This record gives sequence, C-alpha cells and structure tokens, in this order.
Amino acid sequence: ETGVTQTPRHLVMGMTNKKSLKCEQHLGHNAMYWYKQSAKKPLELMFVYSLEERVENNSVPSRFSPECPNSSHLFLHLHTLQPEDSALYLCASSPRAQSSYNEQFFGPGTRLTVL
Amino acid sequence: GDSVTQMEGPVTLSEEAFLTINCTYTATGYPSLFWYVQYPGEGLQLLLKATKADDKGSNKGFEATYRKETTSFHLEKGSVQVSDSAVYFCEGGNEKLTFGTGTRLTIIP
Repeated sequence: ETGVTQTPRHLVMGMTNKKSLKCEQHLGHNAMYWYKQSAKKPLELMFVYSLEERVENNSVPSRFSPECPNSSHLFLHLHTLQPEDSALYLCASSPRAQSSYNEQFFGPGTRLTVL
Repeated sequence: GDSVTQMEGPVTLSEEAFLTINCTYTATGYPSLFWYVQYPGEGLQLLLKATKADDKGSNKGFEATYRKETTSFHLEKGSVQVSDSAVYFCEGGNEKLTFGTGTRLTIIP
C-alpha cells in the first residue's frame, strides 16, 4: 500500500461505545495529524504529532484520545461520544510538523456517525 | 495569528466556463500558500502551491499566483469540466498552516 490509509471507512457507534480509528502512512513522514470535517464548518485541526510526540492539541474534548506508537501509525480512541461528534475524521501526514513548506498528504477519512 | 479567507460557496458553473475562487491571507512575512481539492468520498489532495511572492503554481489546468501586494492567491481555470466538481480549500501560513472554509464547486454539462 502507498500513501495514507484509514480504517474503518465508515463507523456507526452509540454514545456509550468505545471504538478506535486507525491511520497508517507509508511515506516515511515524521508528522501526523487528525482533522475533523463537519458539514458547513471549517476544517478543524485536532492533534499534531511530530516523531511520536504530541506537539499540538487544539482544545479537543477528552472523549477523543490520540495515540501515536510510531511515526507510521496514528490512532484516535473514542469513548462516550455525542451526536455532534458525527463527522468525517481525516488523517494526514507531512515530512515535518510546523513547517510552512510542508505539503500534507491526506487519507480518505472515516465517516463517523454517533447515534 | 495567520489566517486565510476564502470565497464562500457554493459555486455553480456551466462546462467550459471560466473559474475564479478567491483566497486572501493575513500573515507576516512570506507565508507558503496551497490549494487543495477534495473529490466526493475522498480526502484532500494538493492541487498546487507557491512558496514566495510572484510564484505561480499550476496543475491540471488550474493556476494561482502569489501576489504579495494584494495578499492573495486566487485559483483560476480557463475552461472547467464536469470532473472539476469538488470542494476546494485554500491553505496558508508561516509555521502554522491554516485552512480556509472550503468552496464547493459544481460544474453542470
């Protein structure tokens, strides 16, 4: 596989469930990102990891818990979500974090529905 | 902080029409500027970029010129196709890159 992959592509969960989103990049990049894309809202940057260290956390509720075990893998653990958390969750990677020259490479996203 | 302001959509054009989607930025110095495109059911992908004033980025018939004097990076295409229907995002900044709100483009045959 090449590029950035995300699993699952679609997820439906109840508010009391616990689930995880997975992202994997095969590009040798050092930075990985989680974004939330909701209808009629700007793209929201949630977390940034650089060399497995979290370098940015944009006031995201604690019901979202990221994990970056190595520079190729990124997880987003979900628990006790709310219906307003339903959105497309996009993962991205780039050669380095916090650099203005960086093109980001995006995965196809996970479409999350919280019932 | 750095920010970009993008033309609100949606935009609907007929095939072969001329396209302009406006993007202006607020940042010190010389931020890098990007246009991304998101086709239905997919993630974002880079369309073109420019890293210094007067640079012109181009790809797939799309162009954008980095204009320092007007702090703009407008996306243009001379003749759009149905396959260009997508959401377009402007992004820019210095160390921290920020996205515009996105512009949904629909091309009708």
